[in-house]
Amino acid sequence: QVQLVDSGGGVVQPGKSLRLSCEASGFIFSDYALHWVRQAPGKGLEWVAFISYDGTNKYYADSVKGRFTISRDDSKSTLYLQISSLRDEDSAVYYCTREVPLPTPGGDKSYPLGYWGQGTPVTVSS
Amino acid sequence: QSVVTQPPSVSGAPGQWVSISCIGSRSNIGAGYDVHWYQHLPGTAPKLLIYADTVRPSGVPDRFSGSKSGASASLAITGLQAEDEADYYCQSYDNSLSGWVFGGGTKLTVL
Repeated sequence: QVQLVDSGGGVVQPGKSLRLSCEASGFIFSDYALHWVRQAPGKGLEWVAFISYDGTNKYYADSVKGRFTISRDDSKSTLYLQISSLRDEDSAVYYCTREVPLPTPGGDKSYPLGYWGQGTPVTVSS
Repeated sequence: QSVVTQPPSVSGAPGQWVSISCIGSRSNIGAGYDVHWYQHLPGTAPKLLIYADTVRPSGVPDRFSGSKSGASASLAITGLQAEDEADYYCQSYDNSLSGWVFGGGTKLTVL
């Protein structure tokens, strides 16, 4: 069965960096696009970043552009999120999530997020 | 503040019906991108509840249904049960932001 295991979170000082990981199993990792989604304390879900199945296309939310980098290592079936210049507002639980490619008139931007990791918490604090 | 708007909260008694709205614009739902709904319980991973506006994944009770019209979508839950108490999010794509968007989320309370 599909499994996504998030890790790498922790308590980090403002301005520092952190790398989150998401280890996948139960499917052919290199066939699927992946996203990171976060939830700050008391807030709703926020989309953070996307990487295409082959790693050639990457998109970011405006709130993280220039500070976050999404990447993947297909040989390790692992997704990464490099977070730098951390700010208080980056404190959140970060989830990796996998698309479910379905035939839809909405196109590939309309694929649902069918599988989620358990999340890894990041706390930015001095 | 999300570009897709949901009511912060809804409530209903067991057995009743509730609806959660998801109001977008011409750059997201109104542009024809699918709307998906997720159920999120505290401390757990979000769960896909409805995809492609109206489709229930296998295992989701038929008490849950989705609809879309123009730039808005709705999630309806009939026969409310205590276990339905959770946060619900709609999600789509926005071509002016060039990114995926979630609604602000709606907390469902079963009275």
